[in-house]
Amino acid sequence: QITLKESGPTLVKPTQTLTLTCTFSGLSLSTSGVAVGWIRQPPGKALEWLAFSYSDDTYLCRPSLKTRLTITKDTSKNQVVLTMTNMDPVDTATYYCAHRRYRSGWEYFDYWGQGILVTVSS
Amino acid sequence: QSVLTQPPSVSGAPGQRVTISCTGSSSNFGAGYDVHWYQQLPGTAPKLLIYGNTNRPSGVPDRFSGSKSGTSASLAITALQAEDEAEYYCQSYDKSLSYVIFGGGTKLTVL
Repeated sequence: QITLKESGPTLVKPTQTLTLTCTFSGLSLSTSGVAVGWIRQPPGKALEWLAFSYSDDTYLCRPSLKTRLTITKDTSKNQVVLTMTNMDPVDTATYYCAHRRYRSGWEYFDYWGQGILVTVSS
Repeated sequence: QSVLTQPPSVSGAPGQRVTISCTGSSSNFGAGYDVHWYQQLPGTAPKLLIYGNTNRPSGVPDRFSGSKSGTSASLAITALQAEDEAEYYCQSYDKSLSYVIFGGGTKLTVL
């Protein structure tokens, strides 16, 4: 059984840096082909994919956020860390991490964390 | 504005059948990428409902079914129940954008 859980601050000030940790079990990010994704959802709005952390130590970010996002992982702790700089009120959202399933032609999320609501306000 | 277009809302009475459409383009569905569906109950995380166009994960009732044809996809829910009231999202991959995309979501109201 795969479980994931997000942790971090629920309130950050504008221009500050957000650091969120996704702690998971039931999967290993050292296994080839495994990936963990970050998705966010502003209040009352749709889901938006942010980034992937891959087992090969690479990561992929949404192009529009590429300059602000960094993804790191600690395989020994079963954690993936999202860092987003220069936070703005428009970044207020629930942030989810999720396990990605992949094969040619499809890529989806079968297990999700509970999410963490991050509010950006002074 | 989402790359995948869904109606903002649909509704149906208990026991009825409803469908939720998801319209894509030649760079996602038309390029051969599959559609996946999620159900999001109020205040909770999304839950995988359908993957690979038509497949249900273990535990998802067979009242839920999915289909895809050309650049469109749809989710059908039969024998509607009060507990089905939720937000539903379609998701795929877009080769032009080179990343995972979601629809704008559809709010299902059970009358």
